Amino acid sequence: DGGITQSPKYLFRKEGQNVTLSCEQNLNHDAMYWYRQDPGQGLRLIYYSQIVNDFQKGDIAEGYSVSREKKESFPLTVTSAQKNPTAFYLCASSSRPGNTGELFFGEGSRLTVL
Amino acid sequence: DQQVKQNSPSLSVQEGRISILNCDYTNSMFDYFLWYKKYPAEGPTFLISISSIKDKNEDGRFTVFLNKSAKHLSLHIVPSQPGDSAVYFCAASVNNYGQNFVFGPGTRLSVLP
Repeated sequence: DGGITQSPKYLFRKEGQNVTLSCEQNLNHDAMYWYRQDPGQGLRLIYYSQIVNDFQKGDIAEGYSVSREKKESFPLTVTSAQKNPTAFYLCASSSRPGNTGELFFGEGSRLTVL
Repeated sequence: DQQVKQNSPSLSVQEGRISILNCDYTNSMFDYFLWYKKYPAEGPTFLISISSIKDKNEDGRFTVFLNKSAKHLSLHIVPSQPGDSAVYFCAASVNNYGQNFVFGPGTRLSVLP
């Protein structure tokens, strides 16, 4: 079955530690995205990538980093510089970089900083 | 300042009746609108979309209406079913580019049996 797989589903981190969230898709989509969801707020874009080896900052990129070495994979690292990292993180993909239509989402990763 | 607003955080409806979820936007450049449905601890799933050249789009029990002059869209679910209970996000985009999607805060719909 085609889809987007995020792991881990739940993650606990101590303050000051970096953590990497995995996102893999087998939909053959060019574009991939990372969003953050906080209670009472809409999804906010962290980073996006329209093509392999290229990515752009979204609205709230500070304290995060990404890589796009393979079309299928778009991992997100939450660094110790992110001041409020506890949130629900969603990875998404779409079929073409522009004029994309709908986004397909993974099931999300919930990060809790202790 | 939120560009996409969903002013009702929650809505309860009796099974079999109509559910109406509302969304307002401020950016007149938005030309593509989508609704997503989200169950707890899962990612959102696409429900229905509408382009700004239309004022209505229908898919089974789901209909989206767009009023461009009022910068308002609504999602109608008829008849509502208990399985429709979820959080519904409205999203808007300029030129239908994925990176331009702006999401509202969501409305939690509860369909009561």
